[in-house]
Amino acid sequence: GENVEQHPSTLSVQEGDSAVIKCTYSDSASNYFPWYKQELGKGPQLIIDIRSNVGEKKDQRIAVTLNKTAKHFSLHITETQPEDSAVYFCAASWGSNYQLIWGAGTKLIIKP
Amino acid sequence: DAGVIQSPRHEVTEMGQEVTLRCKPISGHNSLFWYRQTMMRGLELLIYFNNNVPIDDSGMPEDRFSAKMPNASFSTLKIQPSEPRDSAVYFCAIQGSSGNTIYFGEGSWLTVV
Repeated sequence: GENVEQHPSTLSVQEGDSAVIKCTYSDSASNYFPWYKQELGKGPQLIIDIRSNVGEKKDQRIAVTLNKTAKHFSLHITETQPEDSAVYFCAASWGSNYQLIWGAGTKLIIKP
Repeated sequence: DAGVIQSPRHEVTEMGQEVTLRCKPISGHNSLFWYRQTMMRGLELLIYFNNNVPIDDSGMPEDRFSAKMPNASFSTLKIQPSEPRDSAVYFCAIQGSSGNTIYFGEGSWLTVV
């Protein structure tokens, strides 16, 4: 079955610097890759997603890139701010499959 | 967390007691999920409903767990009897009819002592 690995488990960056979180997946049939942000005491919230027919997608300070050949996708956050501190999860699914396979999460710490 | 109201937000109960968690999706969905989140196991899918019908309950850990969706606007997850190892955050989530995107509620934080 599908497996999603996420790295690093913890990432600490200086405010204003960029942060990159990477995920790899095992099933080449996967075609939908969302990223969720979970703040303390809240549910995961979708921040950006990408489908396999696209290589990159941007939304203001966040971007996601997808390399289908290598089967990995990454979240990029530029000009980090204190409110970016949270746990970030990647996930993968295929077709209209309801089953999201989740990464283990990355705790992002923004140092002032 | 758009469109999903969960209650209670926090519950502390004694081992052996029955626990009922509630979910009220607002609208615009045809699929509903119950997830459990713990530090050790991360996010686990417990059960998935489509058009109010349970489609996949393979993630329900034991017979002590049961879920219902009597209509499109309400679902419950029940644990009877509860055990300390059930302590976790339980999330209800919905999926829109237009695609894969899943929206989570704020979660119900359960502690069984």
